Amino acid sequence: AQTVTQSQPEMSVQEAETVTLSCTYDTSESDYYLFWYKQPPSRQMILVIRQEAYKQQNATENRFSVNFQKAAKSFSLKISDSQLGDAAMYFCAYRATQGGSEKLVFGKGMKLTVNP
Amino acid sequence: DAGVTQSPTHLIKTRGQHVTLRCSPISGHKSVSWYQQVLGQGPQFIFQYYEKEERGRGNFPDRFSARQFPNYSSELNVNALLLGDSALYLCASSGWTEQETQYFGPGTRLLVL
Repeated sequence: AQTVTQSQPEMSVQEAETVTLSCTYDTSESDYYLFWYKQPPSRQMILVIRQEAYKQQNATENRFSVNFQKAAKSFSLKISDSQLGDAAMYFCAYRATQGGSEKLVFGKGMKLTVNP
Repeated sequence: DAGVTQSPTHLIKTRGQHVTLRCSPISGHKSVSWYQQVLGQGPQFIFQYYEKEERGRGNFPDRFSARQFPNYSSELNVNALLLGDSALYLCASSGWTEQETQYFGPGTRLLVL
C-alpha cells in the first residue's frame, strides 16, 4: 500500500522569506502523480501544485515550486516570498490507481505559520 | 464556473441516527470522490464514483454508502452514527481532461453527540 509521510507537523516563516515543506512517499508503481494541497481555516482543500512522476522537470506555479526526487521518493514544496495568506495546513498527496479507482493518499499535514 | 458545492455546511446528529451529505461536482466533471477528515489528520478515502458506478471503496464499514445521480451529483449516506464519525466530509470531482487532479468542495462538518 502506498503511504505518504510528512514528518514536520509545524513550521513557521517570516513574511517574504522562503520555506520548504518536506514529503516522502512509498510506492512500488513507476507512474503516478503527486500533489500539494493547501487547507486554510476555511477548510476548503485548494490545489497548490502537481507533479507527474514521468516528468523529470520540477513543476512550478508562480511562487510555488517542487523538488521531486523520484529515486529518493521525495517531493518537497518550496514557497518563495511567503505571504500572510500562505498560512494554512499543507497536505502532500499521492494519486494511487487501485483497480480503476484514482484515490488520493494524503499525509498527515503540516501547519505553516507566516509571521509578519 | 462554480466549483464543487456541498450541503449542508454543518450538521449535528446523535448516535444511532442516519445522515445524508450532498455534493455537486464542477460542471462537466463525471467523477466524484468522498473523503473523511478527522481533526488533525489528512483526508481518508471513502468512495469514488464515475459515470454513476462505484469505482473504489476505502476501508470504511458498510454503514457508509454512496450513490451518484444522472447529473453526476452524489450523496454520501452514513447509518447508525457513532461518535467517531464526527469529522469533516470532503467531496472532490475530476474531469475527463486532467483526470488525475481532484478539486475539492468546502466540506460538511458533521458532529455526532
